[in-house]
Amino acid sequence: AQTVTQSQPEMSVQEAETVTLSCTYDTSESDYYLFWYKQPPSRQMILVIRQEAYKQQNATENRFSVNFQKAAKSFSLKISDSQLGDAAMYFCASTTSGTYKYIFGTGTRLKVLA
Amino acid sequence: KAGVTQTPRYLIKTRGQQVTLSCSPISGHRSVSWYQQTPGQGLQFLFEYFSETQRNKGNFPGRFSGRQFSNSRSEMNVSTLELGDSALYLCASSLWDRGYEQYFGPGTRLTVT
Repeated sequence: AQTVTQSQPEMSVQEAETVTLSCTYDTSESDYYLFWYKQPPSRQMILVIRQEAYKQQNATENRFSVNFQKAAKSFSLKISDSQLGDAAMYFCASTTSGTYKYIFGTGTRLKVLA
Repeated sequence: KAGVTQTPRYLIKTRGQQVTLSCSPISGHRSVSWYQQTPGQGLQFLFEYFSETQRNKGNFPGRFSGRQFSNSRSEMNVSTLELGDSALYLCASSLWDRGYEQYFGPGTRLTVT
């Protein structure tokens, strides 16, 4: 069965600093996708970044980048130059091709300190 | 392009009642998924529909059901409500053939008393 684990319930970072959120996953499939989603307080869940498992290159989106370690089944999110607006719950998720089902981690609450 | 919309946004029901939640996907998206979000369990997958067909479902009792209409709008129904059904119910739509990205609605906050 597919699983996603986020071991950090809460993290804090100073404004303008860098923070890394951890995620590990487990799957026996080879064709899968990994995601980080952000859920600000009382606001909609939005996609932060996506990684295709078959791509070795780590995905980046502006200040957000991932460290995808396929052999270790690790998928961490690095946020550079943290901003107050980055404060949110961050969810790691995965889906396997053909299952039409996402598995989410339990989330990491990120606090950004001014 | 309008985002995913969900109605109602808030709902208070009594144990034993039933409830129907509605979701309108982004125009052109034919896949709609439903999730239950609670503080203790995180996001749990309920079911996914594509072109009116349920393609997958999560581990929820039969009291939870859903359907999708020809215009891709979807509804989920919970019968015989229990206190534990209190949660944020999220709907997400997707093209599935474009990197499997899902776009979420604001959710329906259901409180069962």
